[in-house]
Amino acid sequence: GEDVEQSLFLSVREGDSSVINCTYTDSSSTYLYWYKQEPGAGLQLLTYIFSNMDMKQDQRLTVLLNKKDKHLSLRIADTQTGDSAIYFCAESIPGNTGKLIFGQGTTLQVKP
Amino acid sequence: KAGVTQTPRYLIKTRGQQVTLSCSPISGHRSVSWYQQTPGQGLQFLFEYFSETQRNKGNFPGRFSGRQFSNSRSEMNVSTLELGDSALYLCASSTGQGKETQYFGPGTRLLVL
Repeated sequence: GEDVEQSLFLSVREGDSSVINCTYTDSSSTYLYWYKQEPGAGLQLLTYIFSNMDMKQDQRLTVLLNKKDKHLSLRIADTQTGDSAIYFCAESIPGNTGKLIFGQGTTLQVKP
Repeated sequence: KAGVTQTPRYLIKTRGQQVTLSCSPISGHRSVSWYQQTPGQGLQFLFEYFSETQRNKGNFPGRFSGRQFSNSRSEMNVSTLELGDSALYLCASSTGQGKETQYFGPGTRLLVL
């Protein structure tokens, strides 16, 4: 079935690393995405990983994919107050064109 | 390149009315997807249009419809509005071919009274 799960809330101190976790159920997922949503705004694409990769690094962001456990994580290094937002993971599934399946979102709170 | 644009940004309607929302994709993108975002249900897929044809559809009632024009701009229509239709409506565009990386617009916030 199609299901993506995330923890709802994470609080960190400025300068620390943040790790946001996500699990998905559909093993045929092709791409997995991380989006960021700030209050009153749309979704901003942060990064994505193809399902045959284990890791992708993009500046302060590191994505880890454990395909066996269907587990995806997003690590934000040196977290800043501007990183406070809701983070969504999403998967795309072959044959389901134009449709992303989203988790519930993780609210990241960064304390100064 | 300009991003995805949506109009209007905010709308207030009353029950029973209908509403039309508009989405202009990134230049060169031929696929437009629509999502409804609510606090209770999260982000849910409505439908996707590619080259003026609906290619995929989510589990929403027939009151929700859409269309796409030859310039790839898309409209979404909701008829006979209900209170539960109050939501943020997001559209996203992609090339529609192969990798489905979607880029989202700022959304239209609809309030039904």
